[in-house]
Amino acid sequence: GAGVSQSPSNKVTEKGKDVELRCDPISGHTALYWYRQSLGQGLEFLIYFQGNSAPDKSGLPSDRFSAERTGGSVSTLTIQRTQQEDSAVYLCASSLEQGVGGYTFGSGTRLTVV
Amino acid sequence: AQSVAQPEDQVNVAEGNPLTVKCTYSVSGNPYLFWYVQYPNRGLQFLLKYITGDNLVKGSYGFEAEFNKSQTSFHLKKPSALVSDSALYFCAVRDGSGYSTLTFGKGTMLLVSP
Repeated sequence: GAGVSQSPSNKVTEKGKDVELRCDPISGHTALYWYRQSLGQGLEFLIYFQGNSAPDKSGLPSDRFSAERTGGSVSTLTIQRTQQEDSAVYLCASSLEQGVGGYTFGSGTRLTVV
Repeated sequence: AQSVAQPEDQVNVAEGNPLTVKCTYSVSGNPYLFWYVQYPNRGLQFLLKYITGDNLVKGSYGFEAEFNKSQTSFHLKKPSALVSDSALYFCAVRDGSGYSTLTFGKGTMLLVSP
């Protein structure tokens, strides 16, 4: 596609429920990244996929968070047993290999846990 | 570990005046530096980058940034601010290794008054 597409744009969920956030990267971009943006906290790195390599999961805050990327394209970020502190904007980005030239970001998914 | 500091949470400037948004960084080896802008309810948009070459980098919307290796800084500048420049600005850094990801600062809100 022309840009990075994220869905849903907004998600309200009850504490304890599981949620799935979707990211559709730019066609041909081999690298995909998930970041979390919380008020006053800037952008927090979550996970990085590069081609067929094992993903860099070093930023995932707990084992309730997981992500997969199917067929080297679409990615899903799953948060299990959501907590109120998970409320944030989840941003996905993609880039050409290694991202030296920078990333292209999607518009994000605003997650609210009530 | 790499890091970025944006010492100002907010910068206020009058329209037509020059603006500076500060950024300092820490990284092993040569830095790859970026500025992104975020408008309300939108993802991050790329403004400019420094990888190598001239220390003064020109980017979108009349913005420029100056790389200063001795001061490890990459301040964003614009000679004449517009009200429409009001937004949240993020500085980011990565090293040159193949498996590095961008580390972002906490962001600086720029408010340009008429």
